[in-house]
Amino acid sequence: GAGVSQSPSNKVTEKGKDVELRCDPISGHTALYWYRQSLGQGLEFLIYFQGNSAPDKSGLPSDRFSAERTGGSVSTLTIQRTQQEDSAVYLCAIRDRDYSGANVLTFGAGSRLTVL
Amino acid sequence: QQPVQSPQAVILREGEDAVINCSSSKALYSVHWYRQKHGEAPVFLMILLKGGEQKGHEKISASFNEKKQQSSLYLTASQLSYSGTYFCGTSVGGGFKTIFGAGTRLFVKA
Repeated sequence: GAGVSQSPSNKVTEKGKDVELRCDPISGHTALYWYRQSLGQGLEFLIYFQGNSAPDKSGLPSDRFSAERTGGSVSTLTIQRTQQEDSAVYLCAIRDRDYSGANVLTFGAGSRLTVL
Repeated sequence: QQPVQSPQAVILREGEDAVINCSSSKALYSVHWYRQKHGEAPVFLMILLKGGEQKGHEKISASFNEKKQQSSLYLTASQLSYSGTYFCGTSVGGGFKTIFGAGTRLFVKA
């Protein structure tokens, strides 16, 4: 979506390496989400940031995964000691209001991670 | 906690109708519907709120049965452009944490 920029768009790494995925939303959005989508699968919730509140980390699959959001804007998802099962598209989303006033999620184009 | 979607996949001919269902084991505050085309990000279709308020911006309708904790998305007179994977997302307790179902793959052929 135009409101969310993610980088890199594609990342190929070797098993055991650390990776950082970046999400850069249009400023002013207090709510930011990370989801993971494995090949042909659904959208798996990872973590949710809301303003200055403690993030909801309930979806992080292991302690190798962490995320932070600096200054209420840019967020970085870090995966340490990557495993092959970490291969997926990682999607960032912001909560916004569309023209009808509904709270909707606007997704970025995603970062495709391939762990060899 | 993840909502359950059915069917998993649907194949339609152009002009036919389809219904996609989404159910939850927990009391729902809202239900979102998104469509994802191959290789693209999910795009918002519609949101249904507890109390019957419904908002959306496409010629697609949906229902939300609070008692049964389920929602259905109705696609009528399907077009080729309707092809994609449809996800329902649910939020519990009035919060904004949104959990998605596994998706329903819809394929419309000419």
